[in-house]
Parts: sequence; C-alpha cells; structure tokens
Amino acid sequence: DTGVSQDPRHKITKRGQNVTFRCDPISEHNRLYWYRQTLGQGPEFLTYFQNEAQLEKSRLLSDRFSAERPKGSFSTLEIQRTEQGDSAMYLCASSSGQAGENSPLHFGNGTRLTVT
Amino acid sequence: TQLLEQSPQFLSIQEGENLTVYCNSSSVFSSLQWYRQEPGEGPVLLVTVVTGGEVKKLKRLTFQFGDARKDSSLHITAAQPGDTGLYLCAGALAGNNRKLIWGLGTSLAVNP
Repeated sequence: DTGVSQDPRHKITKRGQNVTFRCDPISEHNRLYWYRQTLGQGPEFLTYFQNEAQLEKSRLLSDRFSAERPKGSFSTLEIQRTEQGDSAMYLCASSSGQAGENSPLHFGNGTRLTVT
Repeated sequence: TQLLEQSPQFLSIQEGENLTVYCNSSSVFSSLQWYRQEPGEGPVLLVTVVTGGEVKKLKRLTFQFGDARKDSSLHITAAQPGDTGLYLCAGALAGNNRKLIWGLGTSLAVNP
C-alpha cells in the first residue's frame, strides 16, 4: 500500500492557462474523490467517481473544470482558463466499500495551485 | 449552506492543557469521522463513530458521538506540541454515504 499519490505537488501558472493534475489512488480502492481546500478551511467537495463513472459533481464546479478516470484507476483534474480564484490546494482521496457503505477516505498530499 | 458547524475555529493553548472541539448540526449523520491535517499534507483519519452515544479513545484523544447522531466532540487531555494541526470533522448524511459533509476545521496550536 503506497498510499494516494498526487502529481505535481506544486503548480504555478499564469491566469488564462490550462493545468492538469493527476491522482493515483490506492490500487484496490474503487471510489475516488476530488476536493479543493483553501488555507485554514475544510475540504470542499468537487467530484466523485465510482470506478470509471463520475457519479456526482459539485454545483460549485464551473464548466472550466473537468475530471476523468478513464480506466477506473488514476484520475486527472483539468482546469481551463485558470483564474486567480482557482488558487488552492487540490486534494484527491480514495476509499473502498460497497454501495451504502461509508468507508473512510485516504487522502493524498495534494497539489497546491497558484494562479498569478 | 454549512450543515456542520465546528468550533472553535482557532485555539492556542499551552502544553499540558486540556481542550475540547465541537461539531454540531441539525442533520442526522449515519457516521462521523474525525481527521487531523498538518501543513502541506492531506487529512489523516483519526476515528469513525457510528453509534449514537459512542465514545472512542485514541491515547489522549476522546471522541464522542451524540445520542441523536447530530453532534460530536473531540477532547484532548494534556495536549502536546505534536498535537498541533487542523482538526476536521466530516459527517455522512443518512441516505447519502457517498459524500461527506465537512466542518471548516479547528486550527490548534499547542505551545511548549
């Protein structure tokens, strides 16, 4: 069990550029979550995958955000035309469990995005 | 709408003191999880409470789930500098176990 890994750890980009983050969950976990977190605040839910299916997406997620998990393993989160308000820590988490079961989340160490 | 209120938001204490962090809601949770997060890292699960009235202990940390499963508390005895971090509670709403509702966190600083 190597844990959840995220890449890159840090990303600095200019406003208007596109960025893509990658998450590799724990291998046997079928659930994958993306969260956004600003300094001193709790995580804010963005989207959720069960295997390769994206089952839920936050209404806070604008059309500039898209996430994929094509083979039910790793996932990518893309932000198009970045804005300064997108600056935050982007956290990925995975969990196991059947439908109706709430398994604890295992988080990666996040990708810190700074939009200048 | 913030469904899970966590208090206090900030806490700075001296080593050896006791403290309690609260999570309160008007909603019923099927379970509630407590996480601790250090700067530059993701949250790490401390405990999950499931049954109303449940009490769980993890060394100097005591977690309690309210009888009605609407609130929870974390009590730390004789705090150490190593306890410094952001403490987060997250509840699973009954009927929707796929998404957790998060509190805003309690930032704890334990000074030596």
